[in-house]
Amino acid sequence: LAKTTQPISMDSYEGQEVNITCSHNNIATNDYITWYQQFPSQGPRFIIQGYKTKVTNEVASLFIPADRKSSTLSLPRVSLSDTAVYYCLVDGYSSASKIIFGSGTRLSIRP
Amino acid sequence: NAGVTQTPKFQVLKTGQSMTLQCAQDMNHNSMYWYRQDPGMGLRLIYYSASEGTTDKGEVPNGYNVSRLNKREFSLRLESAAPSQTSVYFCASREGFMNTEAFFGQGTRLTVV
Repeated sequence: LAKTTQPISMDSYEGQEVNITCSHNNIATNDYITWYQQFPSQGPRFIIQGYKTKVTNEVASLFIPADRKSSTLSLPRVSLSDTAVYYCLVDGYSSASKIIFGSGTRLSIRP
Repeated sequence: NAGVTQTPKFQVLKTGQSMTLQCAQDMNHNSMYWYRQDPGMGLRLIYYSASEGTTDKGEVPNGYNVSRLNKREFSLRLESAAPSQTSVYFCASREGFMNTEAFFGQGTRLTVV
């Protein structure tokens, strides 16, 4: 199972673009990269998933370079409501059905 | 559409008592999961069930047992609660056993005194 490493915390301001990078050096060929968001006192919520290059949805973009050893979650024009913990996960055959969360990145948005 | 429902939402136990946390999903998902989350920490996988009829240990299974009662329900049992099991417990489900979005319940806040 590929281990993920991401910053413990990040700060930003409303209206800025925020990029959170995750390292997953041992990612397997058939693994996907998935990001979840968790607000206090709530369960995590799926944000985005990708395999390679770029994936975009209404909430975020996910950039994955060709070697797939890292990925970057991009949140455009953040607001106070984006203050949350963001988890990067690797999911696929190497995880054998398990969904393993790391420590996540605590993102704080200031006015 | 309720999604993933956990009961109870709050519970206080005395050391040595037993209890079962209930989880039910109405999305016809195959895989279900139990996690615990201690204050300021990430989620840790206790047990999971990749499909009806199977259960497997996760990262922190000691002190817990699970039952996949049917496709909808996955329960977590504490046979003899300990203060170290004070935590917030989350149940999750997803359609497949990999590469699919997981949906989480609202959590059960358990305190063992």
